[in-house]
Amino acid sequence: EDQVTQSPEALRLQEGESSSLNCSYTVSGLRGLFWYRQDPGKGPEFLFTLYSAGEEKEKERLKATLTKKESFLHITAPKPEDSATYLCAVEAGGGNKLTFGTGTQLKVEL
Amino acid sequence: KAGVTQTPRYLIKTRGQQVTLSCSPISGHRSVSWYQQTPGQGLQFLFEYFSETQRNKGNFPGRFSGRQFSNSRSEMNVSTLELGDSALYLCASMKGGTEGYTFGSGTRLTVV
Repeated sequence: EDQVTQSPEALRLQEGESSSLNCSYTVSGLRGLFWYRQDPGKGPEFLFTLYSAGEEKEKERLKATLTKKESFLHITAPKPEDSATYLCAVEAGGGNKLTFGTGTQLKVEL
Repeated sequence: KAGVTQTPRYLIKTRGQQVTLSCSPISGHRSVSWYQQTPGQGLQFLFEYFSETQRNKGNFPGRFSGRQFSNSRSEMNVSTLELGDSALYLCASMKGGTEGYTFGSGTRLTVV
């Protein structure tokens, strides 16, 4: 059974204080690892897809990396508008199905 | 371009009733999947449809069902509602290939 574990559960940062979120996974036949951002009362918003170990992708203050066992979402100089829950999900085996972690709730304060 | 549209946004139902939720995918997207999100369990996969056929099903009781129409629009149905079915129900569509999944804003179902 595919498993995804995210840490920490919650993170509070000061504006400009860089940090990383972790997503560790155990799957059989990884097809893709996804990062999403979710704001309260809204659906998840797609950020990145990573397909193979060593791959990196960047978007504004966010950078996602992938190894054979885990992925990191690095947040550089965060702003209050980066406050949200960040979700990691994997797609493995056959079929279009995502297995999600429970998310990291990030709060960035002034 | 238009995103994934889910209706209604909010719904209140009584235990024992049934409910139907609707999802219109992004134009050109043929895969539609449904997820249940609760504070305790997080996001859990319900089922996925492609070209009107259910291709995958999650670990939910038979009270949860769905279908997809020829225009790719999808509906999910929950019969004999229980209090524990209260959740945010999310629909996601995907074109295929290496594109990610795009989620709708969800339907917030409250069972009283």
